[in-house]
Amino acid sequence: QKEVEQDPGPLSVPEGAIVSLNCTYSNSAFQYFMWYRQYSRKGPELLMYTYSSGNKEDGRFTAQVDKSSKYISLFIRDSQPSDSATYLCAMKAGDYKLSFGAGTTVTVRA
Amino acid sequence: EAQVTQNPRYLITVTGKKLTVTCSQNMNHEYMSWYRQDPGLGLRQIYYSMNVEVTDKGDVPEGYKVSRKEKRNFPLILESPSPNQTSLYFCASSLMGQGEELFFGSGTQLSVL
Repeated sequence: QKEVEQDPGPLSVPEGAIVSLNCTYSNSAFQYFMWYRQYSRKGPELLMYTYSSGNKEDGRFTAQVDKSSKYISLFIRDSQPSDSATYLCAMKAGDYKLSFGAGTTVTVRA
Repeated sequence: EAQVTQNPRYLITVTGKKLTVTCSQNMNHEYMSWYRQDPGLGLRQIYYSMNVEVTDKGDVPEGYKVSRKEKRNFPLILESPSPNQTSLYFCASSLMGQGEELFFGSGTQLSVL
C-alpha cells in the first residue's frame, strides 16, 4: 500500500464549478500537508501549505486536513480555465522527507 | 530571478551510455533533491543533499549517482542508463529541507532506447 493515495482522475469540469481533490494517507506521523500545482511541461509549484488539522483559505482555494481520518482535500471555487493543471498532494512528518501523491489532472472547460 | 535550472530539457540516449543532468539553484538553498515522475506513481525521490558534501539515498536510488561539491550545483549521473530509467526528472531545492517550500526546476524528459 502506498503511503499517500490520491484520487487518480482525470477531472473535467465546466468553468465556474467547484473542484474537489482528495488524498488519504497511512502514516499518522505526518504533520505538514501541502498541495502543489503542476502545469504541463513545468515543475510543480507550491499552492497551499497547512500544518495540523483544520481549514485554510487562500482566495478561491481551500485546503482541509482531517488528521483523525487521515484525509486531506483541496477545493477550488469558481474554477477558471487557468486552473487546468495537475494537482499533487504532499505531506511530511518531522523530518526532511516529503511524500507525494500520484497527482490528479484537472481540466476546466470554458 | 530566483530559480532552479536544469539542463537539458530533453534527452534521448541509448542503453549504457553515461549521461549527466545538471541542476543549479541561485537561492543559496542548503537542501537539494532529485525526483523522477512516472504516470500513476507520482514523484519519487532519488537522492537528496542537506548541504555541501552530504548526500543520501531517497526511495529509488538504484542506477543513479549524485555529487554536491558546491552549494548551488547538484548533478544527477546515470553511469549506465537502462530503458526503465526513461522518465521525467525534476531537481528541487529548499532553504533548509525542513518542510518549507520546495522549488522545482522545469524538468528533464529522458528517453533511454
